[in-house]
Amino acid sequence: QQQVKQSPQSLIVQKGGISIINCAYENTAFDYFPWYQQFPGKGPALLIAIRPDVSEKKEGRFTISFNKSAKQFSLHIMDSQPGDSATYFCAAPRGGTSYDKVIFGPGTSLSVIP
Amino acid sequence: GAGVSQSPRYKVAKRGQDVALRCDPISGHVSLFWYQQALGQGPEFLTYFQNEAQLDKSGLPSDRFFAERPEGSVSTLKIQRTQQEDSAVYLCASSPPFTNQPQHFGDGTRLSIL
Repeated sequence: QQQVKQSPQSLIVQKGGISIINCAYENTAFDYFPWYQQFPGKGPALLIAIRPDVSEKKEGRFTISFNKSAKQFSLHIMDSQPGDSATYFCAAPRGGTSYDKVIFGPGTSLSVIP
Repeated sequence: GAGVSQSPRYKVAKRGQDVALRCDPISGHVSLFWYQQALGQGPEFLTYFQNEAQLDKSGLPSDRFFAERPEGSVSTLKIQRTQQEDSAVYLCASSPPFTNQPQHFGDGTRLSIL
């Protein structure tokens, strides 16, 4: 059974601090690694994504770091804001098929306190 | 609107009743996915359509679950003889036909079985 492991389960960060969420995967066929953000009562929304041929990708305050040899990738949220409080899911599609079936991690609940 | 629309947003049913959940994907999106999200968990894949063809239904938990997309646009997820363990948020997502495209999620239907 393919899995995506995610930690921590929950995270509390002070406003202005750095939030770090880690994920690990098993299947080397994974070739695209998105992060989704979900607010209560809403569906997940794509935040940022990375391909394994790149070690880091930055979009605004959000950065993905990717370690292919360790099969790990992480999300860094710089200058965390209360509006970033949400649940974050790492995910990985299973490559090599004609479509993308996304496997989600169990999620990290982030609370940014003023 | 331009997003994925799901209805109803909330559904309460008595155990044993049949329910039908509707998904209107983004216009032109060929791929359509259904996910089940239990409280505090990441979404789990149920089934996938490419146009009207159901290419993967490996995530459907039992033969009480049935999905269709007869004209390649709107999709319906039907659950027969509902059980309490069916209580969850059911998410629909759509994406363009190319690989590694982000999935656009609806806000889900929260199903509660009494």
